[in-house]
Amino acid sequence: QKEVEQDPGPLSVPEGAIVSLNCTYSNSAFQYFMWYRQYSRKGPELLMYTYSSGNKEDGRFTAQVDKSSKYISLFIRDSQPSDSATYLCAMTRGNTPLVFGKGTRLSVIA
Amino acid sequence: DGGITQSPKYLFRKEGQNVTLSCEQNLNHDAMYWYRQDPGQGLRLIYYSQIVNDFQKGDIAEGYSVSREKKESFPLTVTSAQKNPTAFYLCASSPGRTLNSGNTIYFGEGSWLTVV
Repeated sequence: QKEVEQDPGPLSVPEGAIVSLNCTYSNSAFQYFMWYRQYSRKGPELLMYTYSSGNKEDGRFTAQVDKSSKYISLFIRDSQPSDSATYLCAMTRGNTPLVFGKGTRLSVIA
Repeated sequence: DGGITQSPKYLFRKEGQNVTLSCEQNLNHDAMYWYRQDPGQGLRLIYYSQIVNDFQKGDIAEGYSVSREKKESFPLTVTSAQKNPTAFYLCASSPGRTLNSGNTIYFGEGSWLTVV
């Protein structure tokens, strides 16, 4: 079993839809959870950072962590064509490098 | 302008040749990383360094080498021993040596390496 599992998609939604992106993980020692957005042929950029369980909101983006289920989510409200990108989840125990999911490719259709 | 600079953006290499990818950061970050990205594979860690003159192997270090002689610089050499080097290479850095207390990693724009 891979440490971090993420459905690669592609996921295609109409503009304005609510998007849900998810990752599951197997290592219960992970404490810090991140979401990165990567546009085509560019480096990933940090979108959301969450410590332990709970929710975090930033504008149209909400990150959720459920450590009991080893499940994290990223919600995008009122999705825009500019949200079309690959979304990567990443996580760490804190004293080890980040472990990444494979990324989910999202297309928001106008 | 602060950031992580990778060069070259695109590089072509003949089989059997070594090639070095440059990564420079002016963020005063302690730790630096090299990741490889292949289609459908996500990001895989090659090497990382938490302090000058010290580095550790990641998950796919075979066929690669690094050095960390200066805090700002972490070059990656792709050697002829790397059997399938064609990929997108990403350099990253983080403020602290560990990824806790709000630390996370920031990426450069990447280098595309193609073996011809």
